[in-house]
Amino acid sequence: EVQLVESGGGLVQPGGSLRLSCAASGFTFSSYEINWVRQAPGKGLEWVSYISSRGRTIYYADSVKGRFTISRDNAKNSLYLQMNSLRAEDTAVYYCARGHLSNGWTFDYWGQGTLVTVSS
Amino acid sequence: QSVLTQPPSASGTPGQRVTISCSGSSSNIGSNSVNWYQQLPGTAPKLLVYSNNQRPSGVPDRFSGSESGTSASLAISGLQSEDEADYYCAAWDDSPNAYVFGTGTRVTVL
Repeated sequence: EVQLVESGGGLVQPGGSLRLSCAASGFTFSSYEINWVRQAPGKGLEWVSYISSRGRTIYYADSVKGRFTISRDNAKNSLYLQMNSLRAEDTAVYYCARGHLSNGWTFDYWGQGTLVTVSS
Repeated sequence: QSVLTQPPSASGTPGQRVTISCSGSSSNIGSNSVNWYQQLPGTAPKLLVYSNNQRPSGVPDRFSGSESGTSASLAISGLQSEDEADYYCAAWDDSPNAYVFGTGTRVTVL
């Protein structure tokens, strides 16, 4: 069974940092592209970042470019999101989402999400 | 601010057909395939339709997608109470090289 489990969320002050993790199981993690998607409370979905299967290609949304860093450790079946210079508008549930094998921009499995709250 | 526009709400009675539109531009829907996601209350999104009109295994054939030019649509036929959810279209956008979601549509079963 495919599983994606996010962790690392919590309360952080504006300007602070947080590192999210996504533990994958039930599939060959190293073969799949993975994304981070977030959802602010009561709002819609916003794509955050993408990483290719070997980590050689990375994309970011303009809203997080220069502040967030996506990475992966295929030996540990894990995805990460390092978030620096956090702002109130970064408050959201953060989901990791697997890209379909034939099209990395089709998110076929999602984790349950981890909540990040940026507040003083 | 999303570049894919959806109506904020749609509704119907059980058994009716409901259609949700998704309006984009030449840089997203006009040149890339569209996916649709369903988000039930309090849960993570789920892939509902991919590549404009393909359904993942397990998704009922009551759900169908279509695309024409710079717009896409999701139709739900034979509406059921368990279809009450938020629905989002999404596509890659060549400019500015980003994946974009629609504004979302809340479907209510009356």
